[in-house]
Amino acid sequence: AQTVTQSQPEMSVQEAETVTLSCTYDTSESDYYLFWYKQPPSRQMILVIRQEAYKQQNATENRFSVNFQKAAKSFSLKISDSQLGDAAMYFCAYRSAGGGSEKLVFGKGTKLTVNP
Amino acid sequence: GAVVSQHPSWVICKSGTSVKIECRSLDFQATTMFWYRQFPKQSLMLMATSNEGSKATYEQGVEKDKFLINHASLTLSTLTVTSAHPEDSSFYICSAKRTSADTQYFGPGTRLTVL
Repeated sequence: AQTVTQSQPEMSVQEAETVTLSCTYDTSESDYYLFWYKQPPSRQMILVIRQEAYKQQNATENRFSVNFQKAAKSFSLKISDSQLGDAAMYFCAYRSAGGGSEKLVFGKGTKLTVNP
Repeated sequence: GAVVSQHPSWVICKSGTSVKIECRSLDFQATTMFWYRQFPKQSLMLMATSNEGSKATYEQGVEKDKFLINHASLTLSTLTVTSAHPEDSSFYICSAKRTSADTQYFGPGTRLTVL
């Protein structure tokens, strides 16, 4: 079974600075998807970014980018120019790309605090 | 696009009663919907996967007779917590995905409190 590990329960960053959230995963599959979701205090899960494992290019979405290291099974999220609205729980998630399970496997999350 | 709604956003009920939570995909057809449970300061735990027109697939340890899931149309899935007890109090979140899509879009969640 696949597992997702987020080793940083909490992180903090100064406004306008850059922060990187770590995520590692364990799988024997070669094709899969990886996601970062944000859960602010409202508890609405919001998709931040997704990565397809067969694509070598790292995904980017405005201030959010990932460092996807397939061999190392690492999928970190970099937030540049941090804003107060970025404060939230961040969850890393894995999904198989094959014809089997469509379910997401989540990490335990990292709570990000943004200091003014 | 890809908006998912849930209703109600919060509900308080007495022990022994049943509660129904609705999950709707507002601007797309969702062949698959998922139901999660989240305890305070914890991650999401998948309860079941629901495919339109067929029976839900429950995760190990989830009582299918207690958590009834119906996915009668491409835009609506319901979760009914039957004979609710205080230990069922939690935050329930649904998500939905399009056919052949890989991304799940989440509803805003429902906070259930059983007295």
